[in-house]
Amino acid sequence: QQQVKQSPQSLIVQKGGISIINCAYENTAFDYFPWYQQFPGKGPALLIAIRPDVSEKKEGRFTISFNKSAKQFSLHIMDSQPGDSATYFCAASKGSARQLTFGSGTQLTVLP
Amino acid sequence: NAGVMQNPRHLVRRRGQEARLRCSPMKGHSHVYWYRQLPEEGLKFMVYLQKENIIDESGMPKERFSAEFPKEGPSILRIQQVVRGDSAAYFCASSPGSYNSPLHFGNGTRLTVT
Repeated sequence: QQQVKQSPQSLIVQKGGISIINCAYENTAFDYFPWYQQFPGKGPALLIAIRPDVSEKKEGRFTISFNKSAKQFSLHIMDSQPGDSATYFCAASKGSARQLTFGSGTQLTVLP
Repeated sequence: NAGVMQNPRHLVRRRGQEARLRCSPMKGHSHVYWYRQLPEEGLKFMVYLQKENIIDESGMPKERFSAEFPKEGPSILRIQQVVRGDSAAYFCASSPGSYNSPLHFGNGTRLTVT
């Protein structure tokens, strides 16, 4: 009930390509869905977040697509750059508290 | 405006010793969360605290682990009688607690139990 499943585990993309990472959740009470970016030796940093009342949110090269009926959401990174190479985590929580349930992470490598 | 500060960055303990991890939230943040990250895995929620109160400790092991966030000073995650399985990165995060407020993470403490 509390799981968030993330795929793929790893992803290799050419510079300029589109990176797509998918997540699925089970708990319909979740109402906050953030994506975090983590570099080695660093803490996760918030990239972008969405609530279920919208189907898409875009910030710069990063877009979240949200499908409430399918209980799925995805991160699209347009024009991927080598500097985007990092581990990406989706997460979910409910209410104002931030007891986030994280996905298992996707290691993205963008080739120059 | 300093972010979430965690110390030490690296901590090595022998089996059976105690580990104390400290977290100073961002200025103005009164909500603190602790997460644990095992190698090659996502983060797992451990405990959620507000000043002087534990709000939710559902993710914390029942034995050997405790957390506090006193009125003055940093939040402390304490692990007694550490075992090798406690080796992980422990991350603290803070928020101001309002409905749309995001979580800001520190850079973690890497605990190694030998």
